[in-house]
Amino acid sequence: EAGVAQSPRYKIIEKRQSVAFWCNPISGHATLYWYQQILGQGPKLLIQFQNNGVVDDSQLPKDRFSAERLKGVDSTLKIQPAKLEDSAVYLCASSAAQKGRDEAFFGQGTRLTVV
Amino acid sequence: DQQVKQNSPSLSVQEGRISILNCDYTNSMFDYFLWYKKYPAEGPTFLISISSIKDKNEDGRFTVFLNKSAKHLSLHIVPSQPGDSAVYFCAAKKTQGAQKLVFGQGTRLTINP
Repeated sequence: EAGVAQSPRYKIIEKRQSVAFWCNPISGHATLYWYQQILGQGPKLLIQFQNNGVVDDSQLPKDRFSAERLKGVDSTLKIQPAKLEDSAVYLCASSAAQKGRDEAFFGQGTRLTVV
Repeated sequence: DQQVKQNSPSLSVQEGRISILNCDYTNSMFDYFLWYKKYPAEGPTFLISISSIKDKNEDGRFTVFLNKSAKHLSLHIVPSQPGDSAVYFCAAKKTQGAQKLVFGQGTRLTINP
């Protein structure tokens, strides 16, 4: 079974530029998460999708971040415009979410550096 | 508001000994707890979980203990091996509703030969 795929692996941009990340979850997984992990901290949930609907985006900086999940499968996370403090690893995860007692599977992440 | 806390940023253990990683949570609505392991340049990988209806779950060298009254859980690794050196994250969720998965800050475990 293929895991969660993310691209690109690394991205360096200048502040005020735009960037987009892509995630392909495990086939059949209804729940998709985007996390931001700043160096030395734990992953912070940005947005959670159930199929193609948003169930939590309370910590998403909506003035600059946006995310969508196309047809309940792939997802993209966009930052426009980027700030220096957005430098982090962006992790995508998915889970089957059948009964709640299941784990989330993570991709390798995209390391973003804003200079 | 840090709902899941790992107060030890790092831990160093000798190979063959027991490693104990601790985690505290504040939200009494959490009823499912997970431990993840993370190597550099990789995403976190699931290690072991426990439901709030249990107080212990064991999987090979890994055992998770849950103390609901203290809102505390711990991960025991015995015996510790060099390959266990990684960052360990505790995570918690409610199995009803949005099922938001909340992570702690992580503990870097180093196993010394």
